[in-house]
Amino acid sequence: DTGVSQNPRHKITKRGQNVTFRCDPISEHNRLYWYRQTLGQGPEFLTYFQNEAQLEKSRLLSDRFSAERPKGSFSTLEIQRTEQGDSAMYLCASSLSQDQPQHFGDGTRLSIL
Amino acid sequence: QKEVEQNSGPLSVPEGAIASLNCTYSDRGSQSFFWYRQYSGKSPELIMSIYSNGDKEDGRFTAQLNKASQYVSLLIRDSQPSDSATYLCAVDENTDKLIFGTGTRLQVFP
Repeated sequence: DTGVSQNPRHKITKRGQNVTFRCDPISEHNRLYWYRQTLGQGPEFLTYFQNEAQLEKSRLLSDRFSAERPKGSFSTLEIQRTEQGDSAMYLCASSLSQDQPQHFGDGTRLSIL
Repeated sequence: QKEVEQNSGPLSVPEGAIASLNCTYSDRGSQSFFWYRQYSGKSPELIMSIYSNGDKEDGRFTAQLNKASQYVSLLIRDSQPSDSATYLCAVDENTDKLIFGTGTRLQVFP
């Protein structure tokens, strides 16, 4: 069990640029979740997948955000035309099934200049 | 009213004492409850999960759930300085996603 892996660990970019993050879940986990966490707050749900199907998206996920999980394995989260308010830690988690504990990766910290 | 509420702390306890962390939630239909520990600059790490009323013990940690009172707590016995972190309460409102509280910062002093 290698755990949930996220890349990159840190991303610094200028406002208006596009960024893409990758998440590799624990191998047998078919559920994959994306959360966003800002300083002093708990993680906030963004979206989740069961296998390759994206089952729910939060209202937090504006049309500048898109997530994919093309083969039901790794997932990518893309943010287009980044804004200052997008600066946060982006966390990926995976679980074996519904109601089972979610295990988090180390996160990608995004800083918008 | 926030969906999951925690006292932000800091909660300061001496080494060797029992730390008691509390969490209330608003959705009566919630079925699954989790405690995560988060060190500064790190990601959340699962400590405990609890699904039914009562107590669940794992080493120095005990989770307590009271669905009638919509209350879940975490007790840490024999607290150590290494336990100093933010503890996040998370609730699954039967919607397949976790709702987190803002976390309670615990400080264990020698």
